[in-house]
Amino acid sequence: DVQLVESGGGLVQPGGSLRLSCVASGFAFSNYWMNWVRQAPGKGLEWVANINQDESERYYVDSVRGRFTVSRDNTKNSLYLQLNSLRADDTAVYYCARSSDWSFDNWGQGTLVTVSS
Amino acid sequence: QSALTQPASVSGSPGQSITISCTGTSSDVGGYNYVSWYQQYPGKAPKLMIYEVSNRPSGVSNRFSGSKSGNTASLTISGLQAEDEGDYYCSSNRRPGTPWVFGGGTKLTVL
Repeated sequence: DVQLVESGGGLVQPGGSLRLSCVASGFAFSNYWMNWVRQAPGKGLEWVANINQDESERYYVDSVRGRFTVSRDNTKNSLYLQLNSLRADDTAVYYCARSSDWSFDNWGQGTLVTVSS
Repeated sequence: QSALTQPASVSGSPGQSITISCTGTSSDVGGYNYVSWYQQYPGKAPKLMIYEVSNRPSGVSNRFSGSKSGNTASLTISGLQAEDEGDYYCSSNRRPGTPWVFGGGTKLTVL
């Protein structure tokens, strides 16, 4: 079975940094685009970033471009999101999601990032 | 990167059918068959229900169906059941390398 497990969330002060991780299992990780999607408390889903199989393409939503960096390590079946210059409106559950057939076909359970002083 | 437009809420009685709309533009929903739908229960991760407008992943009930007309995609749930209650989101992509967009979400209540 496909499994995606996120970690690295927590409480951070405004302006601080965090690194989120997502470990994949049950499929050929290196063959897929991977994504980060977030959900602020009580709000809807927002796509954040994605990365292609060999890291040659990375895309971001406008609100995080220049502050967040997506990366992956195919030898470790792992996806990462480096979050810098964090703001209160970055507070959200961050999900790791696999892309397939122009959709997000598998999701992790999410990791909560809280930005507050 | 404007969000797609969904009704905030819909409701129906057990056994009935409901439809949730998702309106975009000719640059996303209308221009490509890359619309997908997700079901989410409170505190849980989203689950893919429909991909590429009308395709159901393995294991998803055939009570769920998707369609598209012009710039509006639709998710129809027939034979409504209590377990269908939750939030539903549509999503669309334009082409490789462009940002994904989601609808604002629709809360489905089974009366």
